[in-house]
Amino acid sequence: DVKVTQSSRYLVKRTGEKVFLECVQDMDHENMFWYRQDPGLGLRLIYFSYDVKMKEKGDIPEGYSVSREKKERFSLILESASTNQTSMYLCASSELAGGRYEQYFGPGTRLTVT
Amino acid sequence: AQTVTQSQPEMSVQEAETVTLSCTYDTSESDYYLFWYKQPPSRQMILVIRQEAYKQQNATENRFSVNFQKAAKSFSLKISDSQLGDAAMYFCAYSKKTSYDKVIFGPGTSLSVIP
Repeated sequence: DVKVTQSSRYLVKRTGEKVFLECVQDMDHENMFWYRQDPGLGLRLIYFSYDVKMKEKGDIPEGYSVSREKKERFSLILESASTNQTSMYLCASSELAGGRYEQYFGPGTRLTVT
Repeated sequence: AQTVTQSQPEMSVQEAETVTLSCTYDTSESDYYLFWYKQPPSRQMILVIRQEAYKQQNATENRFSVNFQKAAKSFSLKISDSQLGDAAMYFCAYSKKTSYDKVIFGPGTSLSVIP
């Protein structure tokens, strides 16, 4: 089974703090993603990476950065957390095999910025 | 730009009954993927069912089936013999085949199952 893990299920940080959210996948997938999930808005893509040290902006990259130094690990960084970044953050990795595409998700990190 | 719409924010179904969740999307592509993902409370999001647009046959996975109407850009999910474990948030999603990694999600439908 594919496993995608995230470093924390719940996190509380103060405004202005630097926040690191870590994601690890164990299936050697090349592609990894960070989404933000808010009620009524579904999932919105923040950043994705298709290879080590490669990254691309998604739909809402402002206020975030990412790091991918190793294939299995993809980190989301909030340089200076703000209250409007309070949200659920989901990491995913993906594979395209035999014409079948699927994204595999981690359990999510619920971040509260006070 | 591609969009995915789910017009039912919440739905409920009696246990053992059938329920249909609606989804519409907008695209100018001729071939693409459509997905239904399930997110149970406090649990990980998992893929329920996948449809490739060039396949006319509707996808099925056990109690889950879709009604894919390409011309109408409609992709509904039918859950038969509903079980308590089906209670979850359901997301409809779309991706182009040419850039399959950019998956676009709808806002979700929260399904409750009444015992």
